[in-house]
Amino acid sequence: KAGVTQTPRYLIKTRGQQVTLSCSPISGHRSVSWYQQTPGQGLQFLFEYFSETQRNKGNFPGRFSGRQFSNSRSEMNVSTLELGDSALYLCASSKTGQGPTNEKLFFGSGTQLSVL
Amino acid sequence: AQKVTQAQTEISVVEKEDVTLDCVYETRDTTYYLFWYKQPPSGELVFLIRRNSFDEQNEISGRYSWNFQKSTSSFNFTITASQVVDSAVYFCALSEGPSGSARQLTFGSGTQLTVLP
Repeated sequence: KAGVTQTPRYLIKTRGQQVTLSCSPISGHRSVSWYQQTPGQGLQFLFEYFSETQRNKGNFPGRFSGRQFSNSRSEMNVSTLELGDSALYLCASSKTGQGPTNEKLFFGSGTQLSVL
Repeated sequence: AQKVTQAQTEISVVEKEDVTLDCVYETRDTTYYLFWYKQPPSGELVFLIRRNSFDEQNEISGRYSWNFQKSTSSFNFTITASQVVDSAVYFCALSEGPSGSARQLTFGSGTQLTVLP
């Protein structure tokens, strides 16, 4: 069974540009969440999608957005990139997104974004 | 607001030694869930263990064990007979419920574990 797939693995952009990252969850998983990992701030929750709807959002500016498609694949977009957006962006999927809230997450290897 | 503190930034041990990773959490909820994840150099976070706030029974799973104590808000993780392949960054995480979401985890800053041969 394939795991969570994130593309691209590495990305280099310049300030002011926008970027789109992609995440394909494990087959059958309907919930996708995104996390940002930086050396300074650590791992921080960005948002979560379930059945094409954003269900939860972390404390990030509106430049960070996302969406989920009917096949559960998800994309996140960052507009007007800033140097501080350089980070590892991790996507995680879970089976149902409902029921007991102790459901474990399965993470992808992430997209390493560098903003120059 | 919830918070997770991992005071140990780096730990080095020699293979076959036991090692305990410390985690202290803060939450105002009475229902919450605690997790340990491992992040090898490849980058993906790998789920290790979870515990809910109603169950303080400590368990052992292979070489892993954990000690959950609500009285001290601690959720420590022990690896017995460590191996070189255990070298990774270990994260403790918290999610609040039932109003919270398991997908919204608050992570600690991580502990870099290096196991030397």
